[in-house]
Amino acid sequence: SQTIHQWPATLVQPVGSPLSLECTVEGTSNPNLYWYRQAAGRGLQLLFYSVGIGQISSEVPQNLSASRPQDRQFILSSKKLLLSDSGFYLCACKGQGKTDTQYFGPGTRLTVL
Amino acid sequence: GEDVEQSLFLSVREGDSSVINCTYTDSSSTYLYWYKQEPGAGLQLLTYIFSNMDMKQDQRLTVLLNKKDKHLSLRIADTQTGDSAIYFCAESGKNNGQNFVFGPGTRLSVLP
Repeated sequence: SQTIHQWPATLVQPVGSPLSLECTVEGTSNPNLYWYRQAAGRGLQLLFYSVGIGQISSEVPQNLSASRPQDRQFILSSKKLLLSDSGFYLCACKGQGKTDTQYFGPGTRLTVL
Repeated sequence: GEDVEQSLFLSVREGDSSVINCTYTDSSSTYLYWYKQEPGAGLQLLTYIFSNMDMKQDQRLTVLLNKKDKHLSLRIADTQTGDSAIYFCAESGKNNGQNFVFGPGTRLSVLP
């Protein structure tokens, strides 16, 4: 079964600084990959998803970008963080089949001060 | 469009049964899912049900699906303090099954 790694686990960054969060997946090939954000006490907001290397779809306009340089690596970035970027960022993966299940990583808690 | 709704809070006494409800709008979902999120952690898949089933039981968990009303429920028997968490309902119909739509989550508090 697949394992999803995220790092760092926690991050405190000043407003205006850059961001790079990394997600890697083991135990599966050619997965769909997803980045979600969860604000405090709120549900999940899908930010980006990718069905293959270099293929990124954005769900909402925002200050963030995503890249998939390798099959099992998904990176979330920002050039200049905003206070509103604070939250819990979750990476998820899913097989490409219609009935495959989505699995989640442990998350990264980002605090922008 | 796709939408999943849940009540936001539920409190039960230890040993009682908990019932968490969910409604969804996309009838094309092949599976419907329940995830559990403990504090500071990612989402853990609890169980799922195939859309042509009415009920699925897995130890203390019972999932009921009313496809006509697009209503899904999760019953936890003999609720324990370790069951305190946020429970998310999700359906998988969006983008031909590639994207899941999650509800806002129900925060279950188990009182001693």
